[in-house]
Amino acid sequence: AQSVTQLGSHVSVSEGALVLLRCNYSSSVPPYLFWYVQYPNQGLQLLLKYTSAATLVKGINGFEAEFKKSETSFHLTKPSAHMSDAAEYFCAVCEGGNEKLTFGTGTRLTIIP
Amino acid sequence: ETGVTQSPTHLIKTRGQQVTLRCSSQSGHNTVSWYQQALGQGPQFIFQYYREEENGRGNFPPRFSGLQFPNYSSELNVNALELDDSALYLCASSPPGSRGAYEQYFGPGTRLTVT
Repeated sequence: AQSVTQLGSHVSVSEGALVLLRCNYSSSVPPYLFWYVQYPNQGLQLLLKYTSAATLVKGINGFEAEFKKSETSFHLTKPSAHMSDAAEYFCAVCEGGNEKLTFGTGTRLTIIP
Repeated sequence: ETGVTQSPTHLIKTRGQQVTLRCSSQSGHNTVSWYQQALGQGPQFIFQYYREEENGRGNFPPRFSGLQFPNYSSELNVNALELDDSALYLCASSPPGSRGAYEQYFGPGTRLTVT
């Protein structure tokens, strides 16, 4: 069965500092991995996705993530945090050919001015 | 291009009642998935519809049911509402050829409160 674990339900970083949000996955087959962002009272917006092409994936708003099979990880990073990055971030996994996304419990990112 | 839309935005129901939530998929998308997001949790997959047929279901009881129409819009019906059904219900649509979950575009959700 597929699952994801997001380490740290709350992360705070200073404006301009590195953002690192952690995600580890479990999957019995090569997975497809996603990061979504959710702003207050809104739906989910896709940041980036890994679908077995390049292991370093670049997304929107300056975010990127690296797929590391040996560590079963797909951590999300951004070199310099901006106030507008404050939101809830969800990592999700989909096993190839499956029809559903399985989400982690989310990480709330707070940006300190 | 219009994105995924959902109605209503908010809804308050009483325990035991029935509710219908609606979703209009993004133009050209033929697959619709529904998710339940409880407060402080990640979304959980309810079911998916492809060409008007259920194409996968999560761990939800039969009182959660759905429909997809020829124009690919969809409804989620919940019977015999329970307090634990209070959540944000998210609809997501996928374009043809995306093989289900690979590209899902989410709507803003319907906030359901059961009292």
